[in-house]
Amino acid sequence: DTGVSQDPRHKITKRGQNVTFRCDPISEHNRLYWYRQTLGQGPEFLTYFQNEAQLEKSRLLSDRFSAERPKGSFSTLEIQRTEQGDSAMYLCASSGPTSAEQYFGPGTRLTVT
Amino acid sequence: AQTVTQSQPEMSVQEAETVTLSCTYDTSESNYYLFWYKQPPSRQMILVIRQEAYKQQNATENRFSVNFQKAAKSFSLKISDSQLGDTAMYFCAFMKYNNNDMRFGAGTRLTVKP
Repeated sequence: DTGVSQDPRHKITKRGQNVTFRCDPISEHNRLYWYRQTLGQGPEFLTYFQNEAQLEKSRLLSDRFSAERPKGSFSTLEIQRTEQGDSAMYLCASSGPTSAEQYFGPGTRLTVT
Repeated sequence: AQTVTQSQPEMSVQEAETVTLSCTYDTSESNYYLFWYKQPPSRQMILVIRQEAYKQQNATENRFSVNFQKAAKSFSLKISDSQLGDTAMYFCAFMKYNNNDMRFGAGTRLTVKP
Protein backbone atom coordinates (compact mmCIF):
# COMPACT_ATOMS: atom_id res chain seq x y z
CA ASP A 1 0.00 0.00 0.00
CA THR A 2 1.38 3.37 -1.01
CA GLY A 3 -0.53 5.59 1.37
CA VAL A 4 -3.51 7.91 1.08
CA SER A 5 -4.32 8.97 -2.48
CA GLN A 6 -6.51 11.78 -3.74
CA ASP A 7 -7.95 12.53 -7.13
CA PRO A 8 -7.77 14.90 -8.91
CA ARG A 9 -4.65 16.69 -7.73
CA HIS A 10 -5.76 19.96 -9.28
CA LYS A 11 -9.17 21.25 -10.26
CA ILE A 12 -10.06 24.56 -11.88
CA THR A 13 -13.73 25.36 -12.09
CA LYS A 14 -15.98 28.30 -12.74
CA ARG A 15 -18.05 29.84 -9.99
CA GLY A 16 -21.40 28.11 -9.66
CA GLN A 17 -20.22 24.72 -10.91
CA ASN A 18 -20.25 21.54 -8.83
CA VAL A 19 -17.04 19.63 -8.11
CA THR A 20 -16.34 16.24 -6.56
CA PHE A 21 -13.10 14.99 -5.07
CA ARG A 22 -12.15 11.44 -4.19
CA CYS A 23 -9.99 10.07 -1.39
CA ASP A 24 -8.68 6.51 -1.07
CA PRO A 25 -7.36 5.87 2.45
CA ILE A 26 -4.75 3.37 3.54
CA SER A 27 -6.50 0.01 3.15
CA GLU A 28 -6.67 -1.10 6.77
CA HIS A 29 -7.65 2.33 8.11
CA ASN A 30 -11.28 2.60 9.22
CA ARG A 31 -11.19 6.32 10.02
CA LEU A 32 -11.15 9.03 7.39
CA TYR A 33 -10.94 12.80 7.67
CA TRP A 34 -11.36 15.78 5.36
CA TYR A 35 -9.58 19.09 5.93
CA ARG A 36 -9.38 22.40 4.09
CA GLN A 37 -6.14 24.37 3.93
CA THR A 38 -5.89 27.92 2.63
CA LEU A 39 -2.64 29.59 1.70
CA GLY A 40 -0.45 30.33 4.69
CA GLN A 41 -2.69 28.54 7.16
CA GLY A 42 -2.85 25.19 8.84
CA PRO A 43 -5.47 22.64 7.84
CA GLU A 44 -8.99 23.11 9.21
CA PHE A 45 -11.10 20.10 10.09
CA LEU A 46 -14.20 19.56 7.95
CA THR A 47 -15.58 16.12 8.68
CA TYR A 48 -14.80 12.63 9.99
CA PHE A 49 -15.94 9.10 9.09
CA GLN A 50 -15.62 5.91 11.06
CA ASN A 51 -16.20 3.16 8.52
CA GLU A 52 -19.21 4.38 6.52
CA ALA A 53 -20.68 6.55 9.27
CA GLN A 54 -20.12 10.31 9.20
CA LEU A 55 -19.69 11.02 12.90
CA GLU A 56 -18.50 14.62 13.04
CA LYS A 57 -18.99 17.71 10.91
CA SER A 58 -17.44 21.12 11.39
CA ARG A 59 -19.47 24.30 11.24
CA LEU A 60 -17.18 25.13 8.31
CA LEU A 61 -19.04 22.50 6.30
CA SER A 62 -21.85 24.56 4.82
CA ASP A 63 -24.94 23.11 3.16
CA ARG A 64 -23.14 23.26 -0.17
CA PHE A 65 -20.65 20.65 1.01
CA SER A 66 -21.45 16.97 1.29
CA ALA A 67 -19.21 14.01 2.00
CA GLU A 68 -19.84 10.31 1.67
CA ARG A 69 -18.08 7.06 2.36
CA PRO A 70 -20.63 4.54 1.13
CA LYS A 71 -18.74 1.28 1.64
CA GLY A 72 -16.36 2.36 4.35
CA SER A 73 -13.46 2.51 1.93
CA PHE A 74 -13.02 5.51 -0.40
CA SER A 75 -14.72 8.82 0.28
CA THR A 76 -15.99 11.66 -1.87
CA LEU A 77 -16.35 15.33 -1.05
CA GLU A 78 -18.74 17.33 -3.22
CA ILE A 79 -19.04 21.09 -3.33
CA GLN A 80 -22.15 22.45 -5.02
CA ARG A 81 -22.46 25.92 -6.53
CA THR A 82 -18.80 26.71 -5.93
CA GLU A 83 -17.78 30.18 -4.77
CA GLN A 84 -14.42 31.90 -5.05
CA GLY A 85 -13.99 31.50 -1.30
CA ASP A 86 -13.96 27.73 -1.78
CA SER A 87 -10.54 27.99 -3.46
CA ALA A 88 -8.20 26.00 -1.22
CA MET A 89 -6.33 22.75 -0.83
CA TYR A 90 -8.62 19.92 0.27
CA LEU A 91 -6.76 17.31 2.28
CA CYS A 92 -7.81 13.81 3.17
CA ALA A 93 -6.29 11.78 6.00
CA SER A 94 -6.84 8.33 7.45
CA SER A 95 -5.99 6.50 10.63
CA GLY A 96 -6.23 2.99 12.01
CA PRO A 97 -8.67 1.80 14.70
CA THR A 98 -6.18 2.04 17.55
CA SER A 99 -3.97 4.85 16.36
CA ALA A 100 -4.11 8.59 16.98
CA GLU A 101 -1.81 9.43 14.08
CA GLN A 102 -3.42 10.64 10.89
CA TYR A 103 -1.77 10.00 7.55
CA PHE A 104 -2.38 12.61 4.91
CA GLY A 105 -2.85 12.42 1.18
CA PRO A 106 -1.30 14.88 -1.30
CA GLY A 107 -4.44 17.01 -1.45
CA THR A 108 -6.66 18.39 -4.20
CA ARG A 109 -6.03 22.02 -5.03
CA LEU A 110 -9.26 23.73 -6.05
CA THR A 111 -9.29 27.04 -7.90
CA VAL A 112 -12.64 28.71 -8.47
CA THR A 113 -12.55 31.42 -11.16
CA ALA B 1 -12.39 25.62 22.20
CA GLN B 2 -8.86 24.45 21.68
CA THR B 3 -6.45 26.81 19.94
CA VAL B 4 -2.91 26.26 18.77
CA THR B 5 -0.46 29.14 18.37
CA GLN B 6 2.80 29.14 16.48
CA SER B 7 4.39 32.51 17.03
CA GLN B 8 7.22 32.17 14.51
CA PRO B 9 5.92 32.51 10.93
CA GLU B 10 9.41 31.98 9.48
CA MET B 11 12.74 30.70 10.70
CA SER B 12 16.04 29.80 9.13
CA VAL B 13 18.99 27.72 10.29
CA GLN B 14 22.37 26.79 8.90
CA GLU B 15 22.87 23.21 7.83
CA ALA B 16 24.11 20.99 10.70
CA GLU B 17 22.95 23.43 13.37
CA THR B 18 20.06 23.10 15.82
CA VAL B 19 16.77 24.97 15.68
CA THR B 20 13.75 25.09 17.98
CA LEU B 21 10.20 25.78 16.79
CA SER B 22 7.68 27.05 19.33
CA CYS B 23 4.08 26.01 19.89
CA THR B 24 1.59 26.87 22.61
CA TYR B 25 -1.96 25.67 22.97
CA ASP B 26 -5.00 26.42 25.02
CA THR B 27 -7.21 23.71 26.48
CA SER B 28 -9.07 22.73 29.61
CA GLU B 29 -8.63 19.03 28.83
CA SER B 30 -6.21 16.86 30.78
CA ASN B 31 -5.90 14.05 28.25
CA TYR B 32 -4.86 14.84 24.71
CA TYR B 33 -2.33 14.31 21.96
CA LEU B 34 0.12 16.76 20.47
CA PHE B 35 1.77 16.38 17.09
CA TRP B 36 4.29 18.03 14.83
CA TYR B 37 3.69 17.61 11.11
CA LYS B 38 6.03 18.60 8.29
CA GLN B 39 4.80 19.80 4.89
CA PRO B 40 7.62 20.11 2.34
CA PRO B 41 7.06 22.43 -0.63
CA SER B 42 4.43 20.93 -2.95
CA ARG B 43 4.46 17.68 -1.04
CA GLN B 44 2.13 16.04 1.40
CA MET B 45 1.98 16.39 5.17
CA ILE B 46 4.17 13.96 7.10
CA LEU B 47 3.99 13.15 10.80
CA VAL B 48 7.25 14.06 12.54
CA ILE B 49 6.57 13.27 16.16
CA ARG B 50 3.73 12.76 18.62
CA GLN B 51 3.33 13.22 22.38
CA GLU B 52 0.62 11.96 24.71
CA ALA B 53 -0.22 14.41 27.46
CA TYR B 54 -0.11 11.84 30.27
CA LYS B 55 3.51 10.96 29.45
CA GLN B 56 6.04 13.10 31.24
CA GLN B 57 8.92 11.90 29.13
CA ASN B 58 9.56 14.00 26.05
CA ALA B 59 9.17 12.18 22.74
CA THR B 60 12.21 11.71 20.50
CA GLU B 61 12.50 10.53 16.91
CA ASN B 62 16.08 10.48 15.66
CA ARG B 63 17.09 14.15 15.14
CA PHE B 64 13.69 15.43 16.27
CA SER B 65 12.74 15.91 19.91
CA VAL B 66 10.11 17.85 21.80
CA ASN B 67 10.05 19.87 25.00
CA PHE B 68 6.58 19.27 26.43
CA GLN B 69 5.64 21.56 29.31
CA LYS B 70 2.10 20.59 30.26
CA ALA B 71 1.56 23.25 32.92
CA ALA B 72 2.76 25.95 30.56
CA LYS B 73 0.84 24.40 27.64
CA SER B 74 3.96 24.52 25.54
CA PHE B 75 5.18 21.99 22.97
CA SER B 76 8.34 23.00 21.15
CA LEU B 77 10.16 20.99 18.48
CA LYS B 78 13.94 20.77 18.38
CA ILE B 79 15.66 19.72 15.19
CA SER B 80 19.29 18.75 15.65
CA ASP B 81 21.91 18.52 12.89
CA SER B 82 19.58 20.28 10.45
CA GLN B 83 19.59 18.98 6.89
CA LEU B 84 18.57 20.65 3.64
CA GLY B 85 15.67 18.19 3.42
CA ASP B 86 14.24 19.62 6.64
CA THR B 87 13.17 22.73 4.71
CA ALA B 88 9.38 22.74 5.01
CA MET B 89 6.35 24.18 6.76
CA TYR B 90 6.02 22.75 10.24
CA PHE B 91 2.61 22.53 11.87
CA CYS B 92 1.87 21.92 15.51
CA ALA B 93 -1.43 20.11 16.13
CA PHE B 94 -3.65 19.22 19.10
CA MET B 95 -6.27 16.53 19.46
CA LYS B 96 -8.36 15.56 22.48
CA TYR B 97 -8.61 11.92 23.50
CA ASN B 98 -11.64 10.19 21.95
CA ASN B 99 -12.10 13.07 19.56
CA ASN B 100 -11.20 13.37 15.92
CA ASP B 101 -11.12 17.12 15.41
CA MET B 102 -7.42 17.86 15.07
CA ARG B 103 -6.57 21.54 15.49
CA PHE B 104 -3.53 22.95 13.72
CA GLY B 105 -1.46 26.06 14.24
CA ALA B 106 -0.75 28.44 11.37
CA GLY B 107 2.66 26.90 10.77
CA THR B 108 6.32 27.91 10.80
CA ARG B 109 8.20 28.04 7.53
CA LEU B 110 11.69 26.64 8.17
CA THR B 111 14.51 27.15 5.70
CA VAL B 112 17.75 25.24 6.11
CA LYS B 113 20.63 27.09 4.46
CA PRO B 114 23.71 25.37 3.07
